Amino acid sequence: GAGVSQSPRYKVAKRGQDVALRCDPISGHVSLFWYQQALGQGPEFLTYFQNEAQLDKSGLPSDRFFAERPEGSVSTLKIQRTQQEDSAVYLCASSPDSNYGYTFGSGTRLTVV
Amino acid sequence: KNEVEQSPQNLTAQEGEFITINCSYSVGISALHWLQQHPGGGIVSLFMLSSGKKKHGRLIATINIQEKHSSLHITASHPRDSAVYICAVTNYGGSQGNLIFGKGTKLSVKP
Repeated sequence: GAGVSQSPRYKVAKRGQDVALRCDPISGHVSLFWYQQALGQGPEFLTYFQNEAQLDKSGLPSDRFFAERPEGSVSTLKIQRTQQEDSAVYLCASSPDSNYGYTFGSGTRLTVV
Repeated sequence: KNEVEQSPQNLTAQEGEFITINCSYSVGISALHWLQQHPGGGIVSLFMLSSGKKKHGRLIATINIQEKHSSLHITASHPRDSAVYICAVTNYGGSQGNLIFGKGTKLSVKP
């Protein structure tokens, strides 16, 4: 597709449920990033992939958060045993390389009830 | 204290006005980004710069590395410019994409 595609657009999960959020970056973009944006706040970095390699996962808030990009294209962010504080918009972005700006997806709004 | 500070937090302007949004940061950076976020969450990357000045249409971004300050200017503002504008920096030595974000400036342009 022409842009970064994220799915689902909205997700409501019961506390304790596992969720999987998908990001389909622009074809050929080497770099892929995940961010978490709580209501009324700026985004916060979660993790970064270069192709299939996860080069930085320092922003993942706990071991309940896991991200993968096994074939260097589509990425999945998984949150296990969701808690209310996980409620946020999860944004994915991709970039051809470090000299270019990023293209963001529309995000997945996760609400944990 | 936040590592990236934006001002003002909220800004209301009349159509046609010249607008300036400021960003100050306290860390060494390798790049600074200006992003635009419309209601509904979509984020558009406006500029990525590490020195000097960039211009795209009615938007101009400047950065002063010595003063650790950047400005985003909008000339001849229009209601469609209404959005949240976010400044973000890549910490020098940090990994690409490990951006530190400001809290954003909410701009409303009235017709």
